[in-house]
Amino acid sequence: EADIYQTPRYLVIGTGKKITLECSQTMGHDKMYWYQQDPGMELHLIHYSYGVNSTEKGDLSSESTVSRIRTEHFPLTLESARPSHTSQYLCASSEGWANTEAFFGQGTRLTVV
Amino acid sequence: GQQVMQIPQYQHVQEGEDFTTYCNSSTTLSNIQWYKQRPGGHPVFLIQLVKSGEVKKQKRLTFQFGEAKKNSSLHITATQTTDVGTYFCAGPGANNLFFGTGTRLTVIP
Repeated sequence: EADIYQTPRYLVIGTGKKITLECSQTMGHDKMYWYQQDPGMELHLIHYSYGVNSTEKGDLSSESTVSRIRTEHFPLTLESARPSHTSQYLCASSEGWANTEAFFGQGTRLTVV
Repeated sequence: GQQVMQIPQYQHVQEGEDFTTYCNSSTTLSNIQWYKQRPGGHPVFLIQLVKSGEVKKQKRLTFQFGEAKKNSSLHITATQTTDVGTYFCAGPGANNLFFGTGTRLTVIP
């Protein structure tokens, strides 16, 4: 079982609220990722990190921001949630860049009303 | 930009029938990975292929990497209801791992 955890699993929140989605891994992986996925659809990379104090935007433009102050922790923040942010957010980590498997958290299903 | 397309997007099969999904990259890949995502779940790693023309088997699943390392396939023999889910291939990008468009498999009992 992968040691990567996301909280909360489900979140329903009102428009305009600030939210932070938590992601933690205990595998000591340098590489971490955030993907956005609508039900049954593609995975879109929105943020990734090489390691501590490194963050990059992914292929899909996102109004969210991320931080990487500690190796094990990679939170994602939305300053002002909107209904268009309703989606599932998946956090992942890997030991290497793309030659080792990625481990995914169970995801946070976000609904903005 | 780098793209990985999968076909078909959806596949409905009767239990016991075979299933194949194809993954095509616009560029040569150093390796390719396959993941399975059950309905309501998260992607789980299945396998990685590295060598040109490589074929690997996991019970009823057969994975193949093309000679040119630009395409790959996953074949399931005699599908079961436990095979239901979305199958993604994934390839290395410049700085990250990017996923194909996925094939959603439905198995009718």
